[in-house]
Amino acid sequence: GNSVTQMEGPVTLSEEAFLTINCTYTATGYPSLFWYVQYPGEGLQLLLKATKADDKGSNKGFEATYRKETTSFHLEKGSVQVSDSAVYFCALTHVSGSARQLTFGSGTQLTVLP
Amino acid sequence: NAGVTQTPKFQVLKTGQSMTLQCAQDMNHNSMYWYRQDPGMGLRLIYYSASEGTTDKGEVPNGYNVSRLNKREFSLRLESAAPSQTSVYFCASGLAGGNEQFFGPGTRLTVL
Repeated sequence: GNSVTQMEGPVTLSEEAFLTINCTYTATGYPSLFWYVQYPGEGLQLLLKATKADDKGSNKGFEATYRKETTSFHLEKGSVQVSDSAVYFCALTHVSGSARQLTFGSGTQLTVLP
Repeated sequence: NAGVTQTPKFQVLKTGQSMTLQCAQDMNHNSMYWYRQDPGMGLRLIYYSASEGTTDKGEVPNGYNVSRLNKREFSLRLESAAPSQTSVYFCASGLAGGNEQFFGPGTRLTVL
């Protein structure tokens, strides 16, 4: 079946530090991969996505590259800010039944200290 | 353009009570979804509706029912709430065949 494994948190960093959150997946076929972000008290928002191998998704200084050979989609940011404090979810999409479905990782809580 | 809206934001129920969570989207999406979020477990799919008039079970459907009232609205019903259903519930919508889903702000439900 399809599954997503991501780095357990919580992760605490100082402002301007480098961020990596690891994500690996198991899937049949060629899924699209996503990072969603959830700020406190809010729903999930799409942060970035990649639809095929070697694609790089990027947004708001965050990047992730779809690596088929290592089945990974690690999230990186060169210099985090306090406002990046949130929970980050890695996900993949696949067709199951009558619609595309998302399978999520368990989430990684990031706290950035000033 | 409000996106995906959910009501209520918070709810406390006693074991055995029933309630309906409401969801509406104004993006003309065909597909709609209900998830629950529990600590350390990410989001798990309860039910989904690929298009108006159809509904299907997801990963954790037991104890829930859904209704796709029209293209805009997709409700989730708990007929007899149990403490194990204490969770945060998210509704989402997306285009048929599309990859991205758009999420509502969530409903925090506590069952005592």
